[in-house]
Order: sequence, then structure tokens, then C-alpha cells
Amino acid sequence: SQQGEEDPQALSIQEGENATMNCSYKTSINNLQWYRQNSGRGLVHLILIRSNEREKHSGRLRVTLDTSKKSSSLLITASRAADTASYFCFTNAGKSTFGDGTTLTVKP
Amino acid sequence: GAVVSQHPSRVICKSGTSVKIECRSLDFQATTMFWYRQFPKQSLMLMATSNEGSKATYEQGVEKDKFLINHASLTLSTLTVTSAHPEDSSFYICSAPQGQGVNTQYFGPGTRLTVL
Repeated sequence: SQQGEEDPQALSIQEGENATMNCSYKTSINNLQWYRQNSGRGLVHLILIRSNEREKHSGRLRVTLDTSKKSSSLLITASRAADTASYFCFTNAGKSTFGDGTTLTVKP
Repeated sequence: GAVVSQHPSRVICKSGTSVKIECRSLDFQATTMFWYRQFPKQSLMLMATSNEGSKATYEQGVEKDKFLINHASLTLSTLTVTSAHPEDSSFYICSAPQGQGVNTQYFGPGTRLTVL
């Protein structure tokens, strides 16, 4: 299976709620990045976390990284309808690989 | 931050024709660029690694004779879809890494290819 697997594949929440997405990967990494993609559009870089970091914040985003479990999570707090998009994790260890993505729908 | 552009953003062509997609790093040099393909409602799949001055490295299952890659300079890589067929219709995205150590990838805006 592909390195970088997100769960859940689809997530639907109400505006104001928090959304948590998880990503697992298989090999050692230098860093892990999270991207957002609106339907049919290009990628927007959200946040990068290095292999020696455990947690990182950017606005309403919080990313954690557990290298022992080879997993990362992306938390979006106080979600908004504009957060509706697909979210992908991306690892860059030898082979640049995207996860399958989580499609987030935030209902107003 | 660094900028990567792609041209064209959208192309419609007839079956059997060839289509060239350009990927440029606008304010930095990239000895390596990556090409991805994304089918509807699916994730991005790495197709090939474009190497300046040498042959591209293709991922398993990607036909090198069908998807020609040329990394002509430190700021330009091109992907040519030869003898395109409807099943080649997809969203093609390139990326280029910048920076030492952290190695952040900068992605182009993508090219939507529709083959009739």
C-alpha cells in the first residue's frame, strides 16, 4: 500500500467543531508536511514538522508527529465552512509520497 | 516563499495528439523536480523524478515512452504526454524542492488535461 495513509478518508462536521485527521507512514522521514487541496485546485502548503519536532502550531492548526509510531495528526480547531477541502500528508524520504487524503466537509 | 509555475493551467486535446506541460521554478534553481498525476477523487501519485542534465527516473507502472520528461535547465522541466488518450485525462502537478536540510517542496498550481 502507499506510504502515507490518512484516516478518516472522509469527515463531516459542523462549523465551530474541531477536526482531527491522522496520517501514517512506513519509512523514516526528514520531515512531514500537510497540504490542503480545494476541489479541482492546486495544493496549499499548511505546515511542515521536522522529524525532531513533536508538535507544531500555526493559527488554528496543530500538528503532532510521533516518529516511534510513524504517525502524524492534523487538528483544525474552531472549523469554518471555508476549511472544506481535502487534506493530505506528504513525506519526503527518498520518494516523495502523498497519503490518500481526508476529505473534510464543514457544514455551516 | 518560493514559487513554482505551470503552463498551461488547462488543456483540451484530441486523442492521438501530444501535449507539453511546463514546470518552472521562478525564483530558485531546482536540480530535481517531481511530476505527479491525480485522478478525480484520488490522491496524487508520483510519476517521475526529473533530473537536470540526466534522465528522469520513472515510478513503477509509468511508461517512459509515453510521458517524456526533459529537464532542460535549472528552472524548467517539461512533461510531454505523447499520443494522448482519454484515460490520460488527469490533473498533473509538478513540484520542486528548495532549501537544504528541511527540503520543503513547492508545488505548481497544476495542469488539467482533458483528452477527447
